[in-house]
Amino acid sequence: GQNIDQPTEMTATEGAIVQINCTYQTSGFNGLFWYQQHAGEAPTFLSYNVLDGLEEKGRFSSFLSRSKGYSYLLLKELQMKDSASYLCAAMDSNYQLIWGAGTKLIIKP
Amino acid sequence: GAVVSQHPSRVICKSGTSVKIECRSLDFQATTMFWYRQFPKQSLMLMATSNEGSKATYEQGVEKDKFLINHASLTLSTLTVTSAHPEDSSFYICSTTDRENSPLHFGNGTRLTVT
Repeated sequence: GQNIDQPTEMTATEGAIVQINCTYQTSGFNGLFWYQQHAGEAPTFLSYNVLDGLEEKGRFSSFLSRSKGYSYLLLKELQMKDSASYLCAAMDSNYQLIWGAGTKLIIKP
Repeated sequence: GAVVSQHPSRVICKSGTSVKIECRSLDFQATTMFWYRQFPKQSLMLMATSNEGSKATYEQGVEKDKFLINHASLTLSTLTVTSAHPEDSSFYICSTTDRENSPLHFGNGTRLTVT
């Protein structure tokens, strides 16, 4: 079956770095997305990886290893506003998104 | 960038009534619209996929007669929750994309509370 695994919750300190991991199993693969979702709001797009390697975008970076079915989202210089849920989603061969349950990130001062 | 407008943002209705949620793509043609439901502390659950001019495709376990989806134009899709019950209280979000394997554009969501 198709499955996405990511940690339920993580805690980090303001100014630090945190890595949120995601493993996936899908029927075919057309890319891996990361979204940020603040409580009570719709998700917002962060990154898209379809090739192996690291994509850097400001304080946020995303990594993909297709052979391992693994991705991570790296957040640097954490700010209090980064407290949110981070959703990992893999796109299968039918271009359907398979969503993870999300990782709630708590930032402490 | 592409914008998806979803209305209403919040609605409270009585049990047994129907609620319509609208989703519009403002600057592109949305051939396909995805409707999601999200319960507290859970991820997005795809309810149905609607294609302009044809019947929606519902996910397993989603009652098509209860959640009516209409996608009559390339810029408007609607979800009607019929005979709403308290267990239908949830966060409903529409989304679309302007091409395959590109990021989804989400509406702002509708918080439905059925009393």
